[in-house]
Amino acid sequence: EPEVTQTPSHQVTQMGQEVILRCVPISNHLYFYWYRQILGQKVEFLVSFYNNEISEKSEIFDDQFSVERPDGSNFTLKIRSTKLEDSAMYFCASRARANYGYTFGSGTRLTVV
Amino acid sequence: GESVGLHLPTLSVQEGDNSIINCAYSNSASDYFIWYKQESGKGPQFIIDIRSNMDKRQGQRVTVLLNKTVKHLSLQIAATQPGDSAVYFCAEKYSNTGKLIFGQGTTLQVKP
Repeated sequence: EPEVTQTPSHQVTQMGQEVILRCVPISNHLYFYWYRQILGQKVEFLVSFYNNEISEKSEIFDDQFSVERPDGSNFTLKIRSTKLEDSAMYFCASRARANYGYTFGSGTRLTVV
Repeated sequence: GESVGLHLPTLSVQEGDNSIINCAYSNSASDYFIWYKQESGKGPQFIIDIRSNMDKRQGQRVTVLLNKTVKHLSLQIAATQPGDSAVYFCAEKYSNTGKLIFGQGTTLQVKP
């Protein structure tokens, strides 16, 4: 069964450093998403991406965050200057069509120290 | 504001019993709802979904019920097994971009 792949599985970074979280969505999918989950809390929407541009973003997704789909296969989330409160699980998701279901990756655990 | 919430944070059931997990949603315009299972250290795993033009959908051992009148969603798991122990989230598709709003999550504990 096709999977959404995320790397790394765990990233530790110092506060103020830049991090890039990587995702390889399912190959024929067109819609891409990033979500995050702070430990013990619910999954929160960050951003949706379609046709090479952001289609919607949440209040969390401020100027420190950016997304890219640089080569048609990878979908990346960059945090420019990490803060302690950015520590969370970050999930990538994709779906094929507007009325199709979503597939989530296993997540990257980001720890900011 | 937007919110999808769950009534019970923890549900403990005996193996073999049926489980019912409930969820309230706030956006009457949401047209698609999903139940996810999340095991420790893993991403949300799709269980079952339902569109707003339906009120019931069945899968293997799982049933989702949608009551649009009171904006309520439930997940029924038949003959609950130890492998069903996990956190269960409901989610609603909140906009045309496909943004999902997740509930808080219910922890299901299955006692052998």
